[in-house]
Amino acid sequence: KAGVTQTPRYLIKTRGQQVTLSCSPISGHRSVSWYQQTPGQGLQFLFEYFSETQRNKGNFPGRFSGRQFSNSRSEMNVSTLELGDSALYLCASSLDSGLRFQETQYFGPGTRLLVL
Amino acid sequence: GIQVEQSPPDLILQEGANSTLRCNFSDSVNNLQWFHQNPWGQLINLFYIPSGTKQNGRLSATTVATERYSLLYISSSQTTDSGVYFCAVEGWNAGNMLTFGGGTRLMVKP
Repeated sequence: KAGVTQTPRYLIKTRGQQVTLSCSPISGHRSVSWYQQTPGQGLQFLFEYFSETQRNKGNFPGRFSGRQFSNSRSEMNVSTLELGDSALYLCASSLDSGLRFQETQYFGPGTRLLVL
Repeated sequence: GIQVEQSPPDLILQEGANSTLRCNFSDSVNNLQWFHQNPWGQLINLFYIPSGTKQNGRLSATTVATERYSLLYISSSQTTDSGVYFCAVEGWNAGNMLTFGGGTRLMVKP
C-alpha cells in the first residue's frame, strides 16, 4: 500500500505571495492532519480534516487554511506569506475507524517551504 | 494543553552502545507514538504505544501511563540510527491532534 504523498517537495516563494500544498493520504484513511516544523517552535499542529470537515484546529492565524476533498486528499493554503512561514510542512493520515485505541498516524515526506 | 518533555536533548554514542530516551507527559493520553526523523525530514513510525511494552528488533519501548512517561530503548546502536527521535501524544479529548516533544538528537559515531 502506498504511503502518504505530498507535493511539491520543495517550494520557494516571496513575501506576500500565497502557496497551496497537497497531501494524498494512505488509501482508505479518512483523517488528514497538517503540522508545521520550524527550528524555533518544533512540530506544531495546524489542523485536521475528516469527511471534508475541519475537525480540529491549532493555534495559527487565519492565513493558514485547508480543505479536504471527497477522496480524502487534502490541501493547505497559506496566504500573504511571511518570512516566518518558512518551514517543513508535514501531512499525516490515519484510518479513524472509530476504534480510539488503534489510531496510528502516518506521516508523508513533507514540503519544505522557503519564503524570501 | 498537554506538555511533552523529552530527555536528553542531545546524545552522542559509539556504534554498538545502548541508549535510553525518555518522554514525560503532563496528562492522561489516548495515544503515544515514537518517531524517527531521517535527515530528509520524514517521520518514520517506530511504535504506537499508549501503554505497555513493545519490541521491534533492536528497538523497544515501554509506556507507564499511570506515571506519565515512556522510554525508548536502542540496543547495539548503528550509524543509521542517527537522527532525531520524537515522542508525540494525543490527549483524551484532542481528537487526532498530536503534541510533540522537543526531540532527542542522536548521533552514532563509527
